[in-house]
Amino acid sequence: DVKVTQSSRYLVKRTGEKVFLECVQDMDHENMFWYRQDPGLGLRLIYFSYDVKMKEKGDIPEGYSVSREKKERFSLILESASTNQTSMYLCASSLPAPNYGYTFGSGTRLTVV
Amino acid sequence: RKEVEQDPGPFNVPEGATVAFNCTYSNSASQSFFWYRQDCRKEPKLLMSVYSSGNEDGRFTAQLNRASQYISLLIRDSKLSDSATYLCVVSPMNTGFQKLVFGTGTRLLVSP
Repeated sequence: DVKVTQSSRYLVKRTGEKVFLECVQDMDHENMFWYRQDPGLGLRLIYFSYDVKMKEKGDIPEGYSVSREKKERFSLILESASTNQTSMYLCASSLPAPNYGYTFGSGTRLTVV
Repeated sequence: RKEVEQDPGPFNVPEGATVAFNCTYSNSASQSFFWYRQDCRKEPKLLMSVYSSGNEDGRFTAQLNRASQYISLLIRDSKLSDSATYLCVVSPMNTGFQKLVFGTGTRLLVSP
């Protein structure tokens, strides 16, 4: 069964901490994505990557960075966590053309206190 | 205007009912269309792709109307397990990189 695995299901961090969210996929997909999901706002794209070491800003990149050193792994970094970054974070992957849609990880619920 | 718009609901229906959701999209050049299902506190999962000629998967029927730029999902004989949020998803073609745009979802509650 193909999978997108996110390292943590729940995470609590303090304001100002540097936070790493890890995502690994075993489908050999070229594209990987990081979204956050908030009530009433839906899924919002933070960053995406279409190849190793390549990254592109999504709709809300401020306060975040990403790293893709290997094809299967895409990391989201919160440089200095703030309370407004409390959210559900979802990683996804896809083939180059999204005709088959995305496969999502089970999400990381991050709370910043 | 949002790229993908959905009625948030909730739609409350009894078991066995037929229910339909609509979704409108703003980019007329959009090429790929999907319905995703998301259970409470879970990740979105692909329910079905939507093809120009319309398509059916068991109790679920999806339709695409390019002229009016809307997509529909029809669920027949609703089950309790159909209770979830249904996300309308579109792939616009105005960017060099094809990425998906998600609606905020329509919530369905099926009651006994």
